[in-house]
Amino acid sequence: QKEVEQNSGPLSVPEGAIASLNCTYSDRGSQSFFWYRQYSGKSPELIMFIYSNGDKEDGRFTAQLNKASQYVSLLIRDSQPSDSATYLCAVKAGNTPLVFGKGTRLSVIA
Amino acid sequence: DAGITQSPRYKITETGRQVTLMCHQTWSHSYMFWYRQDLGHGLRLIYYSAAADITDKGEVPDGYVVSRSKTENFPLTLESATRSQTSVYFCASSDGDPSPLHFGNGTRLTVT
Repeated sequence: QKEVEQNSGPLSVPEGAIASLNCTYSDRGSQSFFWYRQYSGKSPELIMFIYSNGDKEDGRFTAQLNKASQYVSLLIRDSQPSDSATYLCAVKAGNTPLVFGKGTRLSVIA
Repeated sequence: DAGITQSPRYKITETGRQVTLMCHQTWSHSYMFWYRQDLGHGLRLIYYSAAADITDKGEVPDGYVVSRSKTENFPLTLESATRSQTSVYFCASSDGDPSPLHFGNGTRLTVT
């Protein structure tokens, strides 16, 4: 059973701080990694995807991937109250479907 | 508008009834997926389809049936609804493998 683990939170950070969200996965053959944001009562929406080791930046968001450690993270700089949501990590290996973690709830305190 | 549409948004049904959740996408994406989301379990894949007339089981397929006669439609049928199938159901599509998923707005199903 392929597993994707996330701390359920809530992770509370003050406005303007950096929020760090972490995800580990069990399948060493995993090749594609996605971060989704889900507001309460809404559907998940894609924030970023990363395929290669290292960092990938998009505005205030940075995804970090370390395949050797089977670890992917999402950093949110200058966190805003509007960033308060549940963040879902999703991992794909080969031809198997995407596997989602249970999500980390982020709360940004004004 | 282009996108992925689920209907109905809310549904209440009784145990034992058959119910069908609809999913329609206008992008001509080849892949379509059905997930259910429950507290404590996150998103779990029920069925997926790589193309018209091709469907595969996901993690939790029991009690569900899907079909995909046209690329744009992927209905999910609960043949005999049970209370354990009370959940929020999301349909999603993608244009390749691997590609990000695009989700519909979800259907909140309550089985009484």
